[in-house]
Amino acid sequence: DQQVKQNSPSLSVQEGRISILNCDYTNSMFDYFLWYKKYPAEGPTFLISISSIKDKNEDGRFTVFLNKSAKHLSLHIVPSQPGDSAVYFCAASALRGGTSYGKLTFGQGTILTVHP
Amino acid sequence: GAGVSQTPSNKVTEKGKYVELRCDPISGHTALYWYRQSLGQGPEFLIYFQGTGAADDSGLPNDRFFAVRPEGSVSTLKIQRTERGDSAVYLCASSLLGVNTGELFFGEGSRLTVL
Repeated sequence: DQQVKQNSPSLSVQEGRISILNCDYTNSMFDYFLWYKKYPAEGPTFLISISSIKDKNEDGRFTVFLNKSAKHLSLHIVPSQPGDSAVYFCAASALRGGTSYGKLTFGQGTILTVHP
Repeated sequence: GAGVSQTPSNKVTEKGKYVELRCDPISGHTALYWYRQSLGQGPEFLIYFQGTGAADDSGLPNDRFFAVRPEGSVSTLKIQRTERGDSAVYLCASSLLGVNTGELFFGEGSRLTVL
């Protein structure tokens, strides 16, 4: 049972345009969501997160949107750059004791390619 | 180094053999995690250490898998009687306990291939 799903295996975008990566989840206990980025032969690196008490979090070119009623989140990258080409993983967790526990459930990942 | 270090980076073994994978977390990080990433999938949680003790080992697939962290720093993931289905990249991550961003610092992983 895939509790976090990224239904698009890949996305191709022109440099300068917006990249939108989508993620759906099924577990209502999830209340903290994260995006990780992974380059080949490297470990995933944290990109941005959002708590379920918010519907938007922005950090530079990266914005994450959360729609709790639809159990859907998305990552917007604007403007996209060739260096953004990587695999993007959506992840979710259930907060414990007010802190993120680190037990994350990941989606399958979306390969983003940004063409110059 | 400043990051999470994992050794070996690659391990090829034969079915039935015993394997140990090592993780050296970021200095001062009290929380340590092991994840496993199979081809085409996202990382899957295996076990979480808070200091020396395993606080949550619910992700270990069966009793062939075991992990230790005797001094609260370096951790070793041990796999007995390896099977072809154990082939994956084993990722270690660490974090400061109590940090509520969910930001885990991952190592580059140990790629295990069971022939």
